[in-house]
Amino acid sequence: EAQVTQNPRYLITVTGKKLTVTCSQNMNHEYMSWYRQDPGLGLRQIYYSMNVEVTDKGDVPEGYKVSRKEKRNFPLILESPSPNQTSLYFCASSLFPTGDGYNEQFFGPGTRLTVL
Amino acid sequence: GQQVMQIPQYQHVQEGEDFTTYCNSSTTLSNIQWYKQRPGGHPVFLIQLVKSGEVKKQKRLTFQFGEAKKNSSLHITATQTTDVGTYFCAGTNAGKSTFGDGTTLTVKP
Repeated sequence: EAQVTQNPRYLITVTGKKLTVTCSQNMNHEYMSWYRQDPGLGLRQIYYSMNVEVTDKGDVPEGYKVSRKEKRNFPLILESPSPNQTSLYFCASSLFPTGDGYNEQFFGPGTRLTVL
Repeated sequence: GQQVMQIPQYQHVQEGEDFTTYCNSSTTLSNIQWYKQRPGGHPVFLIQLVKSGEVKKQKRLTFQFGEAKKNSSLHITATQTTDVGTYFCAGTNAGKSTFGDGTTLTVKP
């Protein structure tokens, strides 16, 4: 089944404790992206990657890191989480880099993160 | 940077009534996508519009892209309870995706 998976689905942590949220897709997509969703603010892009070893900042990259060492994986790293990073996080992937051709984004199920 | 405004934020309708959400961008878009997110779920792609003035239909849903490629709309005819959820538009430009804040639709049976 074609899908985007995220782990963990739920996470409660404390300020300053490094964490990684994994994202994996099995559709051989070039494009992957991370979003955070907060009430009333829609989806805001954190980082995106057009291909392996290529990553770029979205609108809200502060406090986050990403890497794209393999095509299928795009982990989101919070080196020192803070309470304002409490949010619902979505990973997404797309066949073509956004803006070129048909580029439906497939979203993962989401990771609900609480930072105390 | 690119901004995408979406109105209204909430819409409550009686089942059978029509519904429209509007999306406006501060810049010209290369394309626009629409997504639906059911309560507790993740966004699911509905459609992408690329051409100026484009109109696409999916059963009771009609999507329009403005002539200047800076605005778009989603219209649902005769809403059903299965239409509940939040509808997002998204503008894309060279990898960067900017989503509207969404319109949350509730349908009273």
